[in-house]
Parts: sequence; structure tokens; C-alpha cells
Amino acid sequence: ILNVEQSPQSLHVQEGDSTNFTCSFPSSNFYALHWYRWETAKSPEALFVMTLNGDEKKKGRISATLNTKEGYSYLYIKGSQPEDSATYLCAFRYGGSQGNLIFGKGTKLSVKP
Amino acid sequence: DAGVIQSPRHEVTEMGQEVTLRCKPISGHDYLFWYRQTMMRGLELLIYFNNNVPIDDSGMPEDRFSAKMPNASFSTLKIQPSEPRDSAVYFCASLISSGGVRDTQYFGPGTRLTVL
Repeated sequence: ILNVEQSPQSLHVQEGDSTNFTCSFPSSNFYALHWYRWETAKSPEALFVMTLNGDEKKKGRISATLNTKEGYSYLYIKGSQPEDSATYLCAFRYGGSQGNLIFGKGTKLSVKP
Repeated sequence: DAGVIQSPRHEVTEMGQEVTLRCKPISGHDYLFWYRQTMMRGLELLIYFNNNVPIDDSGMPEDRFSAKMPNASFSTLKIQPSEPRDSAVYFCASLISSGGVRDTQYFGPGTRLTVL
């Protein structure tokens, strides 16, 4: 059974702190790794799709790295703001079929002003 | 672009009742997915369609669940009869396929279902 693990489950930081969390996935049959940001009562929003080992993506204060050989991706937030409070989901795609996408349970980030 | 639209946003019903959840995908998208989100299991794929045809329904929990996509702009997920363990947030997502590795699903806001 394919498993995607995210850690930590939840994180509480102060405004201005930088933070990072991890997504671990199987290192075989890699196709792509997606990061989503999900605010309560809103739609999960696509942040990044990463496909190559060593990929680095950046969007404002948020960045992500990818290591397909060892099966992990890191998401970093620099200088966290209260509006960054959300659950961050990663999803591992393991083949060409569009249905081959497994989600982690997410890391819930709370940023206190 | 209005994004993926789901209705209702919240549904409270009693055990044994029929529940119908609705989804309108983004115009032009050729894939549609139904997911269930629970604390215990996270986001689980229930079923997905390509060009209105169901491709994989292996995630549908049991016969009480059914899904249809009568046309490119509408899909329903029906639970009959509903049970308390069906309480969850149900998401619909759609995607336009380029055949490449970067294809990304776009999610609706979800329907929070509570079965009493």
C-alpha cells in the first residue's frame, strides 16, 4: 500500500518565524509531487507541482524542494504571517493515470500575530 | 473563471435519508474527481470520470454510494441510505489533461455532510 506521510501534523508559530515541514513518499514509480494550501471553508489551492529530482519552486515567501531518490519534499515559509495559517497538503502521483494521486493528511499551520 | 462549484456547502440529514451532492467542474476540464476528507483517513479518492465516463470507482465505499456525470458540466454523488459514518467533507475536483506530468487538479470548496 502506497503511503504519503506529512510531519508535523500541526505547528504553532509566531508571526515572523520561519518554518518548514516535510512530505515523505515512496521513492519508486515517481511521477510528480503536488503541494496544496487549504484554508478552512475554502477550496484547496494548488501551490506547486514538482517533477524532477532537485526541483526547487518558490512563490512569494513559500518555497519547496524535492528529493525523489530518497522520497521527500520540504515546504518552507519564510517570515510567517497570520494569513499563512492553513493546512498544507502534499500529493504524490505515481504513474501516468490521472487517478494515481495519493494525498498526505496535511500539516496544519497556525501563525499567531 | 468561477472555479469548481459544489452544492450544498453544508448538509445535515438523518440516518437512512438519501443525500445528493452536486458538482460543476471548470468549463473545458475533461476530468472530474470525487474525494472524501476525514480526520482519520485524510483525502480519499472515491471515483473519477474522464469525458463523463467513470474510469475508476474502486474507492467508492459500498453500494450505498453512486456517482453520475450526465454531461460535461455536472456531476452528482449520491448516498442512499446515509449512515452516521458517512459524515465527512466531500470534495469535487476537475482537471484539464495535457497528457503531461504537470496536470493539476482544481478543487471545489467541499460539502460538509453530517448524518445524525
